[in-house]
Amino acid sequence: QSALTQPASVSGSPGQSITISCTGTSSDVGGYNYVSWYQHHPGKAPKLMIYDVIKRPSGVSNRFSGSKSGNTASLTISGLQAEDEADYYCSSYTGNSTFGYVVFGGGTKLTVL
Amino acid sequence: EVQLVQSGAEVKKPGESLKISCKGSGYSFTSYWIAWVRQMPGKGLEWMGIIYPGDSDTRYSPSFRGQVTISADKSISTAYLQWSGLKASDTAMYYCARPEYGDLGPFDHWGQGALVTVSS
Repeated sequence: QSALTQPASVSGSPGQSITISCTGTSSDVGGYNYVSWYQHHPGKAPKLMIYDVIKRPSGVSNRFSGSKSGNTASLTISGLQAEDEADYYCSSYTGNSTFGYVVFGGGTKLTVL
Repeated sequence: EVQLVQSGAEVKKPGESLKISCKGSGYSFTSYWIAWVRQMPGKGLEWMGIIYPGDSDTRYSPSFRGQVTISADKSISTAYLQWSGLKASDTAMYYCARPEYGDLGPFDHWGQGALVTVSS
């Protein structure tokens, strides 16, 4: 089970925008529009921020947006706020016609300076 | 309100068996899949496997097949993750999570996590 590739860390100042990448292959990110992004504050349960590449669940700020190009998906956070500081994980469907499962990225630590 | 409530932290010795639980409420437990996700200390999330409580259809990640057993008791709306012989490398936080749709959909609800520590 190969993890999707994310940068270990990103940082930005309040009010700025940052983008976190999530690189996979044509068997996962590139092959399906089933990429999700989760925000994880230590000690709490992960929270779904983006699903199906670009969709935002009800209640999630529109400062969070998703996109995909080829085998790389991206999460953009605009207007950075202190409470955005957390770990972020991407995930994707992977598999074939007979068996599918979910693979996560290694996670990216976002620091708000 | 949808809730997934997990059993508490466990401290076990290598070789011991363990079964942790995840009780669902606020929705039709038999109509949604439940997955288990591992987070080892300082590491990322790993999808372990998933079960459909309605008929106990179960699927495992290739990395976890044969290492753990996922089950469910729909009469008490509870899913389980169990080990028959724990190793120190099983030390991790374990989350249950419910996909919003299907078996591989995004996880819109998560349990609070259960910390499993395996040490001699």
